[in-house]
Amino acid sequence: EAGVAQSPRYKIIEKRQSVAFWCNPISGHATLYWYQQILGQGPKLLIQFQNNGVVDDSQLPKDRFSAERLKGVDSTLKIQPAKLEDSAVYLCASKRRGGRFTGELFFGEGSRLTVL
Amino acid sequence: DQQVKQNSPSLSVQEGRISILNCDYTNSMFDYFLWYKKYPAEGPTFLISISSIKDKNEDGRFTVFLNKSAKHLSLHIVPSQPGDSAVYFCAASASGYALNFGKGTSLLVTP
Repeated sequence: EAGVAQSPRYKIIEKRQSVAFWCNPISGHATLYWYQQILGQGPKLLIQFQNNGVVDDSQLPKDRFSAERLKGVDSTLKIQPAKLEDSAVYLCASKRRGGRFTGELFFGEGSRLTVL
Repeated sequence: DQQVKQNSPSLSVQEGRISILNCDYTNSMFDYFLWYKKYPAEGPTFLISISSIKDKNEDGRFTVFLNKSAKHLSLHIVPSQPGDSAVYFCAASASGYALNFGKGTSLLVTP
């Protein structure tokens, strides 16, 4: 099966500009996550979707970050306006529908953002 | 506040020897623990997991040990191979909620 697809792989912007990242999860995966990984840190959850509904967005900086998952498939994560501290790799992950919880997430390769 | 801690940023081991990666957690609600492996420019990939009802889970060269009273888990790789060189993340979940990750340990296996 095809993996989680993300684009763009790399993006360089100046502070106060906007940026959007796209994610296409594995077919049939109902749960989708966006994680932020700052250099030297572990991935930090930004938002979790179940189908097209938000399950957890408690750590999403809502004044500048937004995310949507239309039709319960693809998702976009937007940052506007970007700050220097937003420089990170943005990882999208998805999880199989139903079944016993295994915690196994399937991650994309990530989108690396550099804010100058 | 970091609920999952990996206190060793890096570890170097000779090929054929045992690699032991450690992880501590603070949240007693965590009931599922996982290890992910990450190569440069790739996303993390699932390696092995353990439920809180067990104290050991083995998969080939990889074994995870859980000590609930100490809130500690460890990943053993025996024997270590150069291809095991990667960053290893410990992660934990409470009741199936989203994973909390540690900062990672970079493992280097030298020939």
